Amino acid sequence: QSALTQPPSASGSPGHSVTISCTGTSSDVGGYNLVSWYQQHPGKAPKLLIYDVSERPSGVPDRFSGSKSGNTASLTVSGLQAEDEADYYCGSYAGDNTFVFGSGTKVTVL
Amino acid sequence: QVQLQESGPGLVKPSETLFLTCTVSGGSVTGDSYFWTWIRQPPGKGLEWIGNFYYVGTTWYKPSLKSRLTISVDTSRKSFSLRLSSVTAADTAVYYCVRYVRYSDRIETWGQGILVTVSS
Repeated sequence: QSALTQPPSASGSPGHSVTISCTGTSSDVGGYNLVSWYQQHPGKAPKLLIYDVSERPSGVPDRFSGSKSGNTASLTVSGLQAEDEADYYCGSYAGDNTFVFGSGTKVTVL
Repeated sequence: QVQLQESGPGLVKPSETLFLTCTVSGGSVTGDSYFWTWIRQPPGKGLEWIGNFYYVGTTWYKPSLKSRLTISVDTSRKSFSLRLSSVTAADTAVYYCVRYVRYSDRIETWGQGILVTVSS
């Protein structure tokens, strides 16, 4: 059960977009439409942004969107704002009631 | 609304057993819609799923931790716990208890986390 692969960092200017990838295998990301994304600010617990690949919980702005193709899921943050600067983690069901997280991506708003 | 709060020692000696409790407010450790789960995050590193507890008593653990790990619930079902034996410095982390929604496999409720340091 290896961590899903994310780029260590990503950046964008305010108002622009940034997309983060999350690559797994057919045993996790590719095998199920059960990818979720979490935002974590320093010293805080993570917060759910996206679940079931592209669904947003109530209260999460529609600037956050998710998609998946094959073994790779993606999170896009549109209209970047200063408060979007944080660490982002993907997660996926990995079969047999287990779960795996991505390695994490630090997003910097330039 | 369910809230979760971790408690336990902040410092554990190498080779000893780490024991943490998660108190559930506004609900209980029941219901077939949820797993009650532990996640950890070593300082400066990423999140790691540790294991799931289902209210009927079934557990699923990360394979690399399975021999050292026990997740259980107390009889009142108002808290669940993590027991990790033979700890080393590699077990130093912020430990989060969470409510994991089955079927969509999302983690929607998090405790605030507790830092546990393994050191002599």
